[in-house]
Amino acid sequence: AQSVTQLDSQVPVFEEAPVELRCNYSSSVSVYLFWYVQYPNQGLQLLLKYLSGSTLVESINGFEAEFNKSQTSFHLRKPSVHISDTAEYFCAVSDRGMRFGAGTRLTVKP
Amino acid sequence: DGGITQSPKYLFRKEGQNVTLSCEQNLNHDAMYWYRQDPGQGLRLIYYSQIVNDFQKGDIAEGYSVSREKKESFPLTVTSAQKNPTAFYLCASKRGTNNEQFFGPGTRLTVL
Repeated sequence: AQSVTQLDSQVPVFEEAPVELRCNYSSSVSVYLFWYVQYPNQGLQLLLKYLSGSTLVESINGFEAEFNKSQTSFHLRKPSVHISDTAEYFCAVSDRGMRFGAGTRLTVKP
Repeated sequence: DGGITQSPKYLFRKEGQNVTLSCEQNLNHDAMYWYRQDPGQGLRLIYYSQIVNDFQKGDIAEGYSVSREKKESFPLTVTSAQKNPTAFYLCASKRGTNNEQFFGPGTRLTVL
């Protein structure tokens, strides 16, 4: 079974600073990768996904992630964060269900 | 509006009682999933169903049961055999093979 490792459990940053949330996955012949965001006491919302094609994928709110096959990574980045980006972020890989990382709590401070 | 609903949002039960969590979707998705979320552990798959009248155990199925009598519904029963049932439970559904899953708002179960 595939697995996902999120390397940071917590990432505190100041508003308008850049941020990178790291995600590595176990190697597989074909892989489909996702980033989800979760606000407190809510379900998960899809942020972006990589299924095929361009290795750089973007979301509508300024996040982007790059699929790197050689490094088996799918790191999430944003050049300038807002207070409203404070949430928990989950990296996931498609499997019989979906394999999730343990999550990274992003806290944006003013 | 299409989506996934879970009810209730908060649920309290006494130890030793079975409890059933509801999950309904009107997205016409074939596959449905139940996850359990605990702090610092991400989401863990309990059960999943890819078609009506069929379901499979996930990684932590012990102490749980499900049914899939209708495409729209996938209720989860937390039985008294589940040793540590207090958690946040999330239901999801998916269209197709490698697309994303859509999640419900979750049910927070507290066993007293």
